[in-house]
Amino acid sequence: AQKITQTQPGMFVQEKEAVTLDCTYDTSDQSYGLFWYKQPSSGEMIFLIYQGSYDEQNATEGRYSLNFQKARKSANLVISASQLGDSAMYFCAMRALVGETSGSRLTFGEGTQLTVNP
Amino acid sequence: DAGITQSPRHKVTETGTPVTLRCHQTENHRYMYWYRQDPGHGLRLIHYSYGVKDTDKGEVSDGYSVSRSKTEDFLLTLESATSSQTSVYFCAISLRAGAGELFFGEGSRLTVL
Repeated sequence: AQKITQTQPGMFVQEKEAVTLDCTYDTSDQSYGLFWYKQPSSGEMIFLIYQGSYDEQNATEGRYSLNFQKARKSANLVISASQLGDSAMYFCAMRALVGETSGSRLTFGEGTQLTVNP
Repeated sequence: DAGITQSPRHKVTETGTPVTLRCHQTENHRYMYWYRQDPGHGLRLIHYSYGVKDTDKGEVSDGYSVSRSKTEDFLLTLESATSSQTSVYFCAISLRAGAGELFFGEGSRLTVL
């Protein structure tokens, strides 16, 4: 079974500063994928970034980067130069690669509520 | 835009009544999923489908059934709604066969009184 743990229920950051949202995972699979999603107050789920377990370099997408430490089983999201619009709930998720019929089933963490202060 | 539409977007019902939520996609993607979102639990998979008439259970499938009679529609049914099924329900698709990120619909908020 897979498990995602996000230990920070809430985080606060000043506008223009960087912030790290923590995510640890537990799996016995050798091959897996890690995802981050953003959920603003309007409710939609927005995909941010993906890291494969065999990817040697940390994933980056604009101001988002994923600090992947495989030995520690962590996949922290780093947001650089925070903006007011970054205020949202952030979810870490994981997918095991277990066969064609499994599709892309994701296991989610409980989320971290980020507030960016002006 | 992954072309996902959920209906209804909001519904209030009473305990014991049947409820069906519909997820419609316009892109003929093979894989579709139903998740529920509750405070303190994140999103949890209810059921998913990997093709027409091909479905399987997720981690919180008790009390739910699904059907997929055509590629574009994935229905989630609560045969007899209970208050514990009050939640926000998200439909999702994966664009790449068996891989890749999920793209979500806008969610359906269900309240069971």
